[in-house]
Amino acid sequence: QVQLVESGGDVVQPGRSLRLSCAASGFTFSNYVMHWVRQAPGKGLEWVAVMPYDGSNKYYADSVKGRFAVSRDNSKNTLFLQMNSLRTEDTAVYYCARERIDYEFWTGFKYWGQGTLVTVSS
Amino acid sequence: QSVLTQPPSVSGAPGQRVTISCTGSSSNIGADYDVHWYQQLPGTAPKLLIYGFTNRPSGVPDRFSGSKSATSASLAITGLQAEDEADYYCQSYDSSLSTYVFGSGTKVTVL
Repeated sequence: QVQLVESGGDVVQPGRSLRLSCAASGFTFSNYVMHWVRQAPGKGLEWVAVMPYDGSNKYYADSVKGRFAVSRDNSKNTLFLQMNSLRTEDTAVYYCARERIDYEFWTGFKYWGQGTLVTVSS
Repeated sequence: QSVLTQPPSVSGAPGQRVTISCTGSSSNIGADYDVHWYQQLPGTAPKLLIYGFTNRPSGVPDRFSGSKSATSASLAITGLQAEDEADYYCQSYDSSLSTYVFGSGTKVTVL
């Protein structure tokens, strides 16, 4: 069965960096577009970044552009989110999510991980 | 604030029908970008409920249905059940922002 497991969440000070990972299993990881979505405590969902299946044309939310970088290692079935220059407003649960259909964008996020909590605080 | 506007809350008695609106603009829903709906139960990850405005993934009860009109989309829940108490989010793509966007979210309360 499809599984997405995020890790790497921690408590960090403003201005520091953190790298999140999302380990995928149960499907051909290299065929799917992947996303990061976050949810601040008590708030709604915010799309963060998209990682195409072939590593091309990554896109980011304006709130993280220039500070966050998404990448993937298809040989290890893992998605990453490098977060630099962290701000208090980046505090959130970070989810990785998989598109419903392989090789396609915008088909709906069919599978989600359980999320990993990032707390940015001094 | 989100470019997709949802009512903060809706409520209904068991067995009733409730609808949740998702109002966008000509750069997202009005531009024919698909809308998807997600259900998020307390303390859990979101679950895809409806994709492409009206389609249900396998396993989603037919009590849930979606529709579209012009620059808005709607999610309807018929035969409301206690287990439907959750937050619901619409999602689309916005060509002006060049990003995926979520609606502001709607909390459904079963009275």
